[in-house]
Amino acid sequence: SQQGEEDPQALSIQEGENATMNCSYKTSINNLQWYRQNSGRGLVHLILIRSNEREKHSGRLRVTLDTSKKSSSLLITASRAADTASYFCATDTGNTGKLIFGQGTTLQVKP
Amino acid sequence: GAVVSQHPSWVICKSGTSVKIECRSLDFQATTMFWYRQFPKQSLMLMATSNEGSKATYEQGVEKDKFLINHASLTLSTLTVTSAHPEDSSFYICSARADRPNQPQHFGDGTRLSIL
Repeated sequence: SQQGEEDPQALSIQEGENATMNCSYKTSINNLQWYRQNSGRGLVHLILIRSNEREKHSGRLRVTLDTSKKSSSLLITASRAADTASYFCATDTGNTGKLIFGQGTTLQVKP
Repeated sequence: GAVVSQHPSWVICKSGTSVKIECRSLDFQATTMFWYRQFPKQSLMLMATSNEGSKATYEQGVEKDKFLINHASLTLSTLTVTSAHPEDSSFYICSARADRPNQPQHFGDGTRLSIL
């Protein structure tokens, strides 16, 4: 079953603009992870943020985590056409490493 | 480079055929691997957790006899879709994680299975 919701489901922006995607979840977590999936391919890991962390950066990516609201956001700054993909959040809730995925956000960056 | 290799990348076969998909971790040992199924324009649905040296743990609603999982070594898990039918057509993805807490999962490139 899905852990939570992602918002928006689809996002279309111009190259150079910022893109923000939100993820909400339902249960307590060990960590939350963001992945990117290009069409017809596997998932690429972007960022892992632990439950005791509030913000994390990697290049043009910024992830925030608010455990009190059970939500996370992914910000992509200065977007590029190559950022066009589906983005998923996933929560790790136990000791097995099992991930529960959100429904995903489809991002289109127009050149 | 890829740290998880999944093979084959696509399969087309007749109804009733059994299909085996391999998932290998290349750079690390993985006691646990995971198998997902993804329908078009949908998210990943976890099918089962593959445990090295023991039985797989299947998610609710997933048929154990239909989707056979074998995890015979610390770097290889296989998923066999037995007697496949058109409704089994889907995109199957595996992942593996290093055996330490708070580690990301690394995904294979997926297998597109089409049953005629």
